[in-house]
Amino acid sequence: GAGVSQSPSNKVTEKGKDVELRCDPISGHTALYWYRQRLGQGLEFLIYFQGNSAPDKSGLPSDRFSAERTGESVSTLTIQRTQQEDSAVYLCASSFSPDGQGGSPLHFGNGTRLTVT
Amino acid sequence: SQQGEEDPQALSIQEGENATMNCSYKTSINNLQWYRQNSGRGLVHLILIRSNEREKHSGRLRVTLDTSKKSSSLLITASRAADTASYFCATDRRFGAGTRLTVKP
Repeated sequence: GAGVSQSPSNKVTEKGKDVELRCDPISGHTALYWYRQRLGQGLEFLIYFQGNSAPDKSGLPSDRFSAERTGESVSTLTIQRTQQEDSAVYLCASSFSPDGQGGSPLHFGNGTRLTVT
Repeated sequence: SQQGEEDPQALSIQEGENATMNCSYKTSINNLQWYRQNSGRGLVHLILIRSNEREKHSGRLRVTLDTSKKSSSLLITASRAADTASYFCATDRRFGAGTRLTVKP
């Protein structure tokens, strides 16, 4: 079976442009997560979707960041008016059930490396 | 915001030695998970320990959990060069900063 798929794998954009990153979770996984990882650092939580519940947006660093997910399918992370400090690897993960409850492990995609010039 | 904090930040050992990494967290948890990351891309789940468990084994991995101290440790026994990677603990969908392990052949 396919794992979590992210696209594009690499994206170079000019400062001030908008970018859209895509995540295809594993089929049947109800929970989906976005993280940002700057070079040499840990994972910074951005947003979490669980089924049709309201997403946990507490990790979004500014209003330039937004994400959508329809049902239990594809999610897109949008960064508007990109800045150089947005340069990072953006990782998506999905899990069968919400973390903290059943304790399902997260399955990660290979990430999108975003470079803002 | 981060929930877990790993210690040490970096660890370098010889092949065959054991490696121990620690994780501390701040709030009560239902479970704690350890992940491995190679080459700065996707993470791979290693092991999950529930809050009512104190120790768990998986192959050469041993994880302990002390909820009274809000801490966990990951022990890799008989390390191999292929174990070289970054290791992260995670609780409540938050990850720590990770421990960078280097195993020298």
